[in-house]
Amino acid sequence: AQSVTQPDIHITVSEGASLELRCNYSYGATPYLFWYVQSPGQGLQLLLKYFSGDTLVQGIKGFEAEFKRSQSSFNLRKPSVHWSDAAEYFCAVGPLGGNMLTFGGGTRLMVKP
Amino acid sequence: DSGVTQTPKHLITATGQRVTLRCSPRSGDLSVYWYQQSLDQGLQFLIQYYNGEERAKGNILERFSAQQFPDLHSELNLSSLELGDSALYFCASSVSSGAGAYNEQFFGPGTRLTVL
Repeated sequence: AQSVTQPDIHITVSEGASLELRCNYSYGATPYLFWYVQSPGQGLQLLLKYFSGDTLVQGIKGFEAEFKRSQSSFNLRKPSVHWSDAAEYFCAVGPLGGNMLTFGGGTRLMVKP
Repeated sequence: DSGVTQTPKHLITATGQRVTLRCSPRSGDLSVYWYQQSLDQGLQFLIQYYNGEERAKGNILERFSAQQFPDLHSELNLSSLELGDSALYFCASSVSSGAGAYNEQFFGPGTRLTVL
């Protein structure tokens, strides 16, 4: 069965600092990988996705993620965090040939001024 | 705004009751997905419908059921409600079923269900 682990439940960073959110997945083959963001009172918005090819993926809002097969990881990064990035971030995996998403537990990001 | 609408926004009800959550997908999307976000279980997939037919099933309780109508809107019915059913219920939609190729899912704002 596929699973996703986000080891950090909460992270606090200062505005302007760099950010890395960790995601580890368990899956038998190369899955589809995603990062979503959930702002308070909002639905989930897709930040970026990885299907195949270049392991460094660029997304919206200045985010990027790197797929590392050897570590079963898909960490999300941003070089300089803005106060508006405060939200909850979810890593997800989806199987090839299907659309069902399995989500990690989420990481709540707080940004200090 | 994703283009996916969900009603109602909030729902408060009592244990043992039955409720219906409604979802309208984005224009042109044929697939609808339901997810439950709770403190205990996190965000988990419940069920998918594609063009009126059930396509995939996740951890959906027998007390819960869903359907997709000819106009492609979907309803999630929750019955014999328990305190543990309190959660945020998301609907998402995508263009097709996802078979063979992934289709991006667009999420609605959710319906917050509180069972007292």
